[in-house]
Amino acid sequence: GAVVSQHPSRVICKSGTSVKIECRSLDFQATTMFWYRQFPKQSLMLMATSNEGSKATYEQGVEKDKFLINHASLTLSTLTVTSAHPEDSSFYICSAPGANYGYTFGSGTRLTVV
Amino acid sequence: GNSVTQMEGPVTLSEEAFLTINCTYTATGYPSLFWYVQYPGEGLQLLLKATKADDKGSNKGFEATYRKETTSFHLEKGSVQVSDSAVYFCALTLNRDDKIIFGKGTRLHILP
Repeated sequence: GAVVSQHPSRVICKSGTSVKIECRSLDFQATTMFWYRQFPKQSLMLMATSNEGSKATYEQGVEKDKFLINHASLTLSTLTVTSAHPEDSSFYICSAPGANYGYTFGSGTRLTVV
Repeated sequence: GNSVTQMEGPVTLSEEAFLTINCTYTATGYPSLFWYVQYPGEGLQLLLKATKADDKGSNKGFEATYRKETTSFHLEKGSVQVSDSAVYFCALTLNRDDKIIFGKGTRLHILP
């Protein structure tokens, strides 16, 4: 079945640094990738939708300059958290639509900013 | 707007008990409905889905029926196991390849 590989699974970084999260579709082409953020014991909040070869669409309230999304190829989408602060600590998950109304999720990235 | 409402947890049951997690939705069109499961520290996995009214999705003993008249998609399982302990999300999407709208999730604890 369709697999989305997400890396890293966990990352700890210092305040002010940037962190890049990658999501790769391993056996299918993902023209669209959804990026979600999940706070502890809460639901998933859609941050943005990336489309291969075009600019990402950000949800209201999400800072596009802080959360840079790139979708340079049909198999790779990246989320870069720039100038990270402790309040950016969260669980980030990517998802790509597949065939037959199936959506494949990455395994998530736990970001801790210290 | 489009939204999903599901019962708040946590839900605690004994092994082999009957499970129901309620889910209702509001949608401007004709959505497809999903249940996703999230095990601790992991991403989401599709549990089951239904794409039109009266469809029943089923997987691993779980079932949910798309009820258009009550705008509901309740999750049921006849006999839960400890390994079913997880967070369950009800969700919808209006169009294929469109974004998924999630409910807040229901944490399920199954006691041996």
